[in-house]
Amino acid sequence: DAGITQSPRYKITETGRQVTLMCHQTWSHSYMFWYRQDLGHGLRLIYYSAAADITDKGEVPDGYVVSRSKTENFPLTLESATRSQTSVYFCASRPTVPNTEAFFGQGTRLTVV
Amino acid sequence: AQKVTQAQTEISVVEKEDVTLDCVYETRDTTYYLFWYKQPPSGELVFLIRRNSFDEQNEISGRYSWNFQKSTSSFNFTITASQVVDSAVYFCALGRAQKLVFGQGTRLTINP
Repeated sequence: DAGITQSPRYKITETGRQVTLMCHQTWSHSYMFWYRQDLGHGLRLIYYSAAADITDKGEVPDGYVVSRSKTENFPLTLESATRSQTSVYFCASRPTVPNTEAFFGQGTRLTVV
Repeated sequence: AQKVTQAQTEISVVEKEDVTLDCVYETRDTTYYLFWYKQPPSGELVFLIRRNSFDEQNEISGRYSWNFQKSTSSFNFTITASQVVDSAVYFCALGRAQKLVFGQGTRLTINP
């Protein structure tokens, strides 16, 4: 299917476990992003990537790791999940042209217990 | 640093009323882009509009209109004759190059 998809849609994990959220886009967009959405904070940028093998930190990167070996995939890993990482995570992608909007996945609701 | 402030956390109006959502931004860039997104109860983020910093023309799309004022660093969004289906969280965002910075969002509830 064309577009941007995230998996899983829902995830419950225990404190201290490693968990990976997947993001896949079919447009070959250069830029990809991970945001987390929390009440009172809107969407905050965790990491972004300008191209394969190029990633950079956003506003709240601590506790997260990303990789981008292929243009279409941008997984987000929580190395040792904490309760404060309970959130809704959104992946997004955008073409290189600056004046274009970002396209978002459906979101992953992650609960850390 | 870039920052977006949506001072209205929640707004509740009765159907058919007009409502304006405020957005104020901060940036040192001379070239930047502004966006509005809608997040309905289903949770996805829906793009509504983009505006670049050189284009201060207001825009109208059906019942939606946007007022961009560079002098006050504001990009406000007005819904005319609101409908229940307009109930959602609305996000204003500021972007340049790679990053897109979002405001905290305004939860709009339209009551029948």
